[in-house]
Amino acid sequence: AQKVTQAQTEISVVEKEDVTLDCVYETRDTTYYLFWYKQPPSGELVFLIRRNSFDEQNEISGRYSWNFQKSTSSFNFTITASQVVDSAVYFCALSGSGNTGKLIFGQGTTLQVKP
Amino acid sequence: DAGVIQSPRHEVTEMGQEVTLRCKPISGHNSLFWYRQTMMRGLELLIYFNNNVPIDDSGMPEDRFSAKMPNASFSTLKIQPSEPRDSAVYFCASSLDQWNTGELFFGEGSRLTVL
Repeated sequence: AQKVTQAQTEISVVEKEDVTLDCVYETRDTTYYLFWYKQPPSGELVFLIRRNSFDEQNEISGRYSWNFQKSTSSFNFTITASQVVDSAVYFCALSGSGNTGKLIFGQGTTLQVKP
Repeated sequence: DAGVIQSPRHEVTEMGQEVTLRCKPISGHNSLFWYRQTMMRGLELLIYFNNNVPIDDSGMPEDRFSAKMPNASFSTLKIQPSEPRDSAVYFCASSLDQWNTGELFFGEGSRLTVL
């Protein structure tokens, strides 16, 4: 069975602090995809990144970076120099080979960035 | 460009009533997904279509739920009769196709409250 665990329910930081959101996944597929989505207060889910199981290179996009480690089945997300606008619920998700639209979501981590 | 459009944004109804949620996917996208978000179960896939054909409806809770996609630009999710436990936010999402990168474009959701 596939499963995504986001152990951190809520995180609160002060603006400009760095923050890491943890994600641990379980799957028996050898080919799979990992995602992060952001859900701001307005409610819609916004795609942030996709990673396939064969690409363990870390990725940086502006203040965002992702650390994918197959050895620990983790796909962590770091926001550097957090801003108030980063306040949202962040979801890690997993899909198996063959259907990248059927996502298994974690429970989400609520990030609050205080000014 | 218009994103995924859902209606209504909010619906309050009484137990036993029929509820119809509507979705217009992004033009050119061939896959459409219905997700449900609740506090207890998080985000879960109900059904998805590819080229207007239902591919996987294993997430549909029970026979009270039905979904249709009569054409490439419109889909409905119907609950009849509705029950209080159906209260949730229902998201529609679309992607270029089911084999795509998993970059789903979500609508703003329809918040359903069944009294």
